[in-house]
Amino acid sequence: NAGVMQNPRHLVRRRGQEARLRCSPMKGHSHVYWYRQLPEEGLKFMVYLQKENIIDESGMPKERFSAEFPKEGPSILRIQQVVRGDSAAYFCASSPPGTSGRTLSTDTQYFGPGTRLTVL
Amino acid sequence: AQKVTQAQTEISVVEKEDVTLDCVYETRDTTYYLFWYKQPPSGELVFLIRRNSFDEQNEISGRYSWNFQKSTSSFNFTITASQVVDSAVYFCALSEAYSGAGSYQLTFGKGTKLSVIP
Repeated sequence: NAGVMQNPRHLVRRRGQEARLRCSPMKGHSHVYWYRQLPEEGLKFMVYLQKENIIDESGMPKERFSAEFPKEGPSILRIQQVVRGDSAAYFCASSPPGTSGRTLSTDTQYFGPGTRLTVL
Repeated sequence: AQKVTQAQTEISVVEKEDVTLDCVYETRDTTYYLFWYKQPPSGELVFLIRRNSFDEQNEISGRYSWNFQKSTSSFNFTITASQVVDSAVYFCALSEAYSGAGSYQLTFGKGTKLSVIP
């Protein structure tokens, strides 16, 4: 039973390049969350997606960051024109569909191993 | 707004000692969920426990136990007879019940780094 998969595990980019981070949720999970772990700041929520829908992007920086979770394939977190301050660990989490007809999942979020982004 | 405070930044104990990691939370919701995650040196985040606000029963799982006290808004985590493999950063987290277009996003504490010395 594969867990949440993220790739790449390590990514190095030069300032101004684009970074694409991928997340495949656990089997049967249809909810994906992205979090960022910055040194000295801890883990912060970025965005919550269901298939083909962004549900909550209240934690996403207003510029250069975008996320998608297409009908087929992994969720992608995209950072355009990276800057040194984007260097961080990016974690994806997934949870099962909501129960009892709820749209939002209240279930536990299981995390992937993270992608460590380094911007030179 | 929700908030989680882990006042202990770093703790060192000698192997086989018991250790308690503190977690205090703030929320205006009556329905919420509390979590503990472990981040070992390898960097991944490992789920340990989930508790909902209506269940104040303490929980024990092997050497791990959790004490949920609504009256003091605390959800403390105790490791009994600590081992070197317990060395990690431990995060307490909270999610509130949300209405509308919100989500059950997790709000994390800053973490407590536990070092168990052989």
